[in-house]
Amino acid sequence: KAGVTQTPRYLIKTRGQQVTLSCSPISGHRSVSWYQQTPGQGLQFLFEYFSETQRNKGNFPGRFSGRQFSNSRSEMNVSTLELGDSALYLCASSPSWDTQYFGPGTRLTVL
Amino acid sequence: AQSVAQPEDQVNVAEGNPLTVKCTYSVSGNPYLFWYVQYPNRGLQFLLKYITGDNLVKGSYGFEAEFNKSQTSFHLKKPSALVSDSALYFCAVSAFSGGYNKLIFGAGTRLAVHP
Repeated sequence: KAGVTQTPRYLIKTRGQQVTLSCSPISGHRSVSWYQQTPGQGLQFLFEYFSETQRNKGNFPGRFSGRQFSNSRSEMNVSTLELGDSALYLCASSPSWDTQYFGPGTRLTVL
Repeated sequence: AQSVAQPEDQVNVAEGNPLTVKCTYSVSGNPYLFWYVQYPNRGLQFLLKYITGDNLVKGSYGFEAEFNKSQTSFHLKKPSALVSDSALYFCAVSAFSGGYNKLIFGAGTRLAVHP
């Protein structure tokens, strides 16, 4: 089975712009979660989608949003980018609950 | 609130020696506990998990971990370290109260295995 794929792998944006990241889960997995990894804050949970519905949400501002499509692929969007949004964004998939399998991440740099 | 502590920023061990990476947790209810490893510029790789059952869990690449409910610990161990084990290790917890797929991660422990 193919693993979790994330596109693009690297992004450079400027402050104020918006960005969309994409995640394709492992085939058959219906849950997709997103995490932000930074040197200062570590790994933080953003949100989880299951069957196109947001099932859980972390403590991030409304500028961070996501969605899931009927084929379980997910996107996350960050609007009005700030310098502090520079991070590695990781997507993880799971059949329902239980083990999450992570993708390679998207490295976002905000200038 | 759920939390995970990894008290050591870095663990140094000689190749061939046993290694331990420590993790303690705080959660309401029964915890689901995980260990992941991260190599440079890569995502997280799943190593092992404790959901229920036997307190000693065996995982990938010869790693194992012991769940200790009274000490709220889930330390990662390996009998004989390899240089290729050098990486960043994360302990994570989830529970029904927080949402099973909401993983709370520790800060990570960098393992350095010296030849």
